[in-house]
Amino acid sequence: GQQVMQIPQYQHVQEGEDFTTYCNSSTTLSNIQWYKQRPGGHPVFLIQLVKSGEVKKQKRLTFQFGEAKKNSSLHITATQTTDVGTYFCHGNQFYFGTGTSLTVIP
Amino acid sequence: KAGVTQTPRYLIKTRGQQVTLSCSPISGHRSVSWYQQTPGQGLQFLFEYFSETQRNKGNFPGRFSGRQFSNSRSEMNVSTLELGDSALYLCASSSPGQETLFSTDTQYFGPGTRLTVL
Repeated sequence: GQQVMQIPQYQHVQEGEDFTTYCNSSTTLSNIQWYKQRPGGHPVFLIQLVKSGEVKKQKRLTFQFGEAKKNSSLHITATQTTDVGTYFCHGNQFYFGTGTSLTVIP
Repeated sequence: KAGVTQTPRYLIKTRGQQVTLSCSPISGHRSVSWYQQTPGQGLQFLFEYFSETQRNKGNFPGRFSGRQFSNSRSEMNVSTLELGDSALYLCASSSPGQETLFSTDTQYFGPGTRLTVL
């Protein structure tokens, strides 16, 4: 089915290192959202980006929407163990990105 | 407001049986979507209901069906269960006023129903 591709699929980082996940679409997106799913939990909405080139920050998290509105990224600065989980982008009606599973090693 | 609720939380069935899962959306939300989540396949869209009508459908066989009631509560049914149907089934509701053709609505997920087929 239709899916927005995310890379990487898995990422292990030492606590304190940075982390970035990328979301790529073959079509122009009207808007894009990011969700986080903790282990054993359900996806929780983090943020929505709407404008071309938009950048939003939530504490250590920085979200970007590409100029062409076909890609997006989520960057976490100085990861903490509380950042563990799977991050999904959502930019195509009901189709979510494939997800990036983040493991933070203490 | 109370969040999205799903019942039951856990279910064990055997092959060939059928199952019905229930989802109560956030009060005032009229759109309910269902997703299947398995470890290697991410979030797979099943279908979406809005005002008691199936408005969108993913790429799943006809064994997967659903419905929505006038109070926006939704059920999904899986008939003739197969081992591969073992998964976490998530429902999500979205807020009215955001149902535009091209935009992506914010999805508020329930805790899910963990279905195991033996």
